[in-house]
Order: sequence, then C-alpha cells, then structure tokens
Amino acid sequence: GEDVEQSLFLSVREGDSSVINCTYTDSSSTYLYWYKQEPGAGLQLLTYIFSNMDMKQDQRLTVLLNKKDKHLSLRIADTQTGDSAIYFCAERRSGGYQKVTFGTGTKLQVIP
Amino acid sequence: NAGVTQTPKFQVLKTGQSMTLQCAQDMNHNSMYWYRQDPGMGLRLIYYSASEGTTDKGEVPNGYNVSRLNKREFSLRLESAAPSQTSVYFCASSDPTGGGQPQHFGDGTRLSIL
Repeated sequence: GEDVEQSLFLSVREGDSSVINCTYTDSSSTYLYWYKQEPGAGLQLLTYIFSNMDMKQDQRLTVLLNKKDKHLSLRIADTQTGDSAIYFCAERRSGGYQKVTFGTGTKLQVIP
Repeated sequence: NAGVTQTPKFQVLKTGQSMTLQCAQDMNHNSMYWYRQDPGMGLRLIYYSASEGTTDKGEVPNGYNVSRLNKREFSLRLESAAPSQTSVYFCASSDPTGGGQPQHFGDGTRLSIL
C-alpha cells in the first residue's frame, strides 16, 4: 500500500523512555525522518537517518531502522513534559525532493 | 529570526469565494512547499517550488494554484473555495544540503469553507 503507518497515541510517565514506531512502504526510500508538531505550530524536523544506517543517536533521541521489515522507531530517553506533541515519521521515496510521504502522526502524552 | 511566516493564521470563507494564502521565508532557501493537514492523515503535498520561477504539482493540486513571486515568497491561491478544502495549510522551505526534505515550517493557516 501507499501509507506510512503509525499508532495514534502513546502515553508515558515523565522520566521513562518513549518508543514511537512507524512502518513505511517503499524499500527504495533513501531517507527516513522524524518530525515533531507542538499544538498550534508547524512541524519541526527532529532527525533523519539514511537508509544505509541501522541506528542514529542524537542526545536523548535514538532512531532505529530495520530495512528488512521496513520499520522505523524513535526512542526518547528520559521523556519530559515538553516532549508532549505529535510525532510524524516520513519517508523520502525515489523521485526527488517533493516525494516525502508523511505518516498520520503519533500523539505522545507525557504524564507528570 | 522569523523563519517561515504565513498569513493569515485563520480564515473563514464561503463556498465559491477566492483567497490567497501568503508565505515568506527569510533563510534564502531555494525550495518551498505547500502542504495541507487533515485530521487522521499525514501532510499531503499540494505544490512544490524548487527555485524562483519554477513550480510543480504535488499529490493533491486540484483546486489550487501557486505563484513563486521571488525567492522569498510562495503563495497558494484557491480560486473557488469548496468545503473539501477546509484544512490546515502549511508552508515549508528547505535548502539543498542534507536530505532534501522540508526543514522549516510555518505555523499554519487554519481555513474553514462554509
């Protein structure tokens, strides 16, 4: 299918780790992205990973990529209330800059 | 340090009315994008501009037109608004370094068509 799939909702306690999962569709995708959207705002690019990598770490964020299963995850260590937002994964398919397909977003709720 | 600025932030139109959504970026980016965001769906690309003077259709271009007036500005026009165009519209920009993905987004225009 054409969809990039994510679960709709995740709730975690402050200080715990959050893991947000995504399944993408195109095995030829070259880049995979994670964006964060806070209420009333546009998307903010958090991180991205090249398709020839398995893992990328950036401070509290860890991205894992399983190309065989077309599965991408974002782990947020020591989750804070400021991490509450909607997280979108996206894939860049072959065909140029405009071919970035977004998932439906996962709403992360952090409970104090 | 404004980044990407969209105007207006909110708008209500009647079916059949026309309107132009404005977008400007101050980062000297070549690429600019217009997306719409609907409940339960990811962002969908309406139009894309790789550089001043060039525009390309995205996934959902019907009912829209765009103008890349100069390097800074990329406007989206609804010629005859329809209720199906009720959505949140985001403008974005990017530079060619990195992954070529939209990097900087405006805060959106919330548009309701009655």
